[in-house]
Amino acid sequence: GAVVSQHPSRVICKSGTSVKIECRSLDFQATTMFWYRQFPKKSLMLMATSNEGSKATYEQGVEKDKFLINHASLTLSTLTVTSAHPEDSSFYICSARKGQGVGGYTFGSGTRLTVV
Amino acid sequence: DQQVKQNSPSLSVQEGRISILNCDYTNSMFDYFLWYKKYPAEGPTFLISISSIKDKNEDGRFTVFLNKSAKHLSLHIVPSQPGDSAVYFCAASAGSGGSNYKLTFGKGTLLTVNP
Repeated sequence: GAVVSQHPSRVICKSGTSVKIECRSLDFQATTMFWYRQFPKKSLMLMATSNEGSKATYEQGVEKDKFLINHASLTLSTLTVTSAHPEDSSFYICSARKGQGVGGYTFGSGTRLTVV
Repeated sequence: DQQVKQNSPSLSVQEGRISILNCDYTNSMFDYFLWYKKYPAEGPTFLISISSIKDKNEDGRFTVFLNKSAKHLSLHIVPSQPGDSAVYFCAASAGSGGSNYKLTFGKGTLLTVNP
């Protein structure tokens, strides 16, 4: 099956610092990965689409300078939360699609970010 | 403007009975629908999906029904088991011919199956 590994699962950082979250497809290549954010009792909100070898496509309202996305290889995408603030505290989840078809999504286990 | 709505934040059923989770959507361009199950502090796990060309898809204890005219779909779990207790997300995608297949999620419904 398709496995997506996300690391770290939990991180606490000080306000003003940057945090990097990694998303890896372990047994397949993913030209496209997706980054979501989930607020408490809210749906998963798509933040950006990460494209291997090119710039990420950000959803409306998401600051691209705040949430830096790099998709340097077919198995790794990273999300860096720059100059983090307490309001950035959230649950971040990545997903990747194996093969063609919309049903092939696999999600990572998520990262709980707490900014203090 | 929420395009995928799950109006019941929670549902509680007895073990062995049927669980019915509902989802409504507003975007008529959606043509593929998925249900995901999520445990706390974990990523969603794919359960079952349905294309807009069908009105029913069944996989074991899980059946998804789609009513396009009403823009409504439902997930039936029968018989319900305590291990089914989780948050269930409905998701939709528009434009099957596109290359990215962005998903739009509902807010989720917390299902609790009581022994």
